[in-house]
Amino acid sequence: GESVGLHLPTLSVQEGDNSIINCAYSNSASDYFIWYKQESGKGPQFIIDIRSNMDKRQGQRVTVLLNKTVKHLSLQIAATQPGDSAVYFCAENRGRDDKIIFGKGTRLHILP
Amino acid sequence: ETGVTQTPRHLVMGMTNKKSLKCEQHLGHNAMYWYKQSAKKPLELMFVYSLEERVENNSVPSRFSPECPNSSHLFLHLHTLQPEDSALYLCASSQEWTSEGYEQYFGPGTRLTVT
Repeated sequence: GESVGLHLPTLSVQEGDNSIINCAYSNSASDYFIWYKQESGKGPQFIIDIRSNMDKRQGQRVTVLLNKTVKHLSLQIAATQPGDSAVYFCAENRGRDDKIIFGKGTRLHILP
Repeated sequence: ETGVTQTPRHLVMGMTNKKSLKCEQHLGHNAMYWYKQSAKKPLELMFVYSLEERVENNSVPSRFSPECPNSSHLFLHLHTLQPEDSALYLCASSQEWTSEGYEQYFGPGTRLTVT
């Protein structure tokens, strides 16, 4: 069955604050993780990925943290902006011959 | 935009109709995917084509029939659908898996309503 989930379906954050979106996975064999952003009326958009041999990876205003001990993944968005309003999905993959499994998503609301 | 286009963007069809969804990617990728996105459910992978060969058929009912005539085009042929097939159908493309992983680029989706 599906093994990737998110702790909160909705997250509201004040504009300018940092956002943290969490994700739990249950398959310890998963070795590649991805965060996607989906804005209304659009398809998911790749944000950042991380392999299991890393515990942190940074992009532009985003940071992904991986804690393999507790099978937890998080996405941190710095200085949240109105354009960050979207649904965020985590996804896991166990390698070339396996499929990507997506979580249900967290909707991020930006408060003015 | 992402370089992946889908047509039509919206489709309403009866249960006895036959229709096709089209996807085109302009990114030079060699793998293409169909996903189903239903309300309050995770994205479900339906089909994967790699180098124009189907490599994944994720227990999808036969009323959905994919076709990949070349590496840039992907179709999903629909016939005798059920109301529960109403969903957003997303197409994606990527390069083949590498040791670094792979990034999928999604189209905007086709919103399908089966009446």
